[in-house]
Amino acid sequence: DADVTQTPRNRITKTGKRIMLECSQTKGHDRMYWYRQDPGLGLRLIYYSFDVKDINKGEISDGYSVSRQAQAKFSLSLESAIPNQTALYFCATGLGGSTDTQYFGPGTRLTVL
Amino acid sequence: SQQGEEDPQALSIQEGENATMNCSYKTSINNLQWYRQNSGRGLVHLILIRSNEREKHSGRLRVTLDTSKKSSSLLITASRAADTASYFCATDVFGQNFVFGPGTRLSVLP
Repeated sequence: DADVTQTPRNRITKTGKRIMLECSQTKGHDRMYWYRQDPGLGLRLIYYSFDVKDINKGEISDGYSVSRQAQAKFSLSLESAIPNQTALYFCATGLGGSTDTQYFGPGTRLTVL
Repeated sequence: SQQGEEDPQALSIQEGENATMNCSYKTSINNLQWYRQNSGRGLVHLILIRSNEREKHSGRLRVTLDTSKKSSSLLITASRAADTASYFCATDVFGQNFVFGPGTRLSVLP
């Protein structure tokens, strides 16, 4: 089984709808991240969490919210989706430390019409 | 420019040739990492080089880091069609989070 899973894998929704993207991990990592990827722009950090009680905004948090329900679960919500939130969304985990690396989920392709 | 920026944006080579891509960054880093992404899929970590290291090898991958020039290069030797992917550098900046560049799209033609 995959260490980092994301649901759904694909979602098409309409402007104004509330959407939740979910991420689960079995790696036992404390750190979890949400990124969005747009063509030609690489990955941009939306929110990150270093443990269950620690939630931080990233570079592009406006229009998004998150919930860290447990060490293994980190959800991203779009309260009122808009078309420019159409993107590929990735969840990642990490251990932290000086040689921290990130482990990515398979991604959720979100289309907002 | 971004903290991590790869060059070139796209690279097309023949199978068996070497592929070199570069990454430039702006601020002091703790380490620099390279990731690979197959089309539409999650990124996979390839190699990490610490700020006090100058060169590192892993299989067909060779990474160099020049902190005086704030640049790194990734060399893939004897490329294969399966190496076709996008490659991203990520800088781990002291006290901050990873910053990913826009990536280099590598196409290896059979």
